[in-house]
Amino acid sequence: AQSVTQLGSHVSVSEGALVLLRCNYSSSVPPYLFWYVQYPNQGLQLLLKYTSAATLVKGINGFEAEFKKSETSFHLTKPSAHMSDAAEYFCAVTRSGGYQKVTFGTGTKLQVIP
Amino acid sequence: DSGVTQTPKHLITATGQRVTLRCSPRSGDLSVYWYQQSLDQGLQFLIQYYNGEERAKGNILERFSAQQFPDLHSELNLSSLELGDSALYFCASSVDGSISSYEQYFGPGTRLTVT
Repeated sequence: AQSVTQLGSHVSVSEGALVLLRCNYSSSVPPYLFWYVQYPNQGLQLLLKYTSAATLVKGINGFEAEFKKSETSFHLTKPSAHMSDAAEYFCAVTRSGGYQKVTFGTGTKLQVIP
Repeated sequence: DSGVTQTPKHLITATGQRVTLRCSPRSGDLSVYWYQQSLDQGLQFLIQYYNGEERAKGNILERFSAQQFPDLHSELNLSSLELGDSALYFCASSVDGSISSYEQYFGPGTRLTVT
């Protein structure tokens, strides 16, 4: 079985401050990991993905995440928050090797304070 | 705009009824996925089709069914609706059937309200 845990359903940061959204995964086989962003009244958009290549993954909008096997973590970071980053962020896990279901975390709502 | 279209945008119906949600994938994408998003359950993967065939199944209820047609559009059928089925239903598509490797493009969703 696979699962992801997102710590903190709501995170608030000041504009210009570091963004850190936490995701820990559980998987019995090598995982593929994703971060998605959902803006209000929209569908999800892929920010970045880890598929067993480089452990530091860079995504869109200045976000990046680092896969740490020893900590079973895939935290999402951005050096400087922008007002437009306010959204809900989802971590997701699937297994490598073809057709597998994706398991999403419960989401973290990011608030950016001016 | 992801290129994935979903109709209708909103749907209000009564308990016990049956509804059909429609999804058109991006041009060239062979794979379609359905998700349910609710406050109680979060985002749940329901089912995946690849080029007309079922490929992966998630937490899909027996009252729900889906299919993908030769023109690659997909329909999600929800029957004997209950209040708890009220949710946002998303469709996503990708080029390949291997969801591990390829980016999924999400549609804007259909908001279903069961009264």
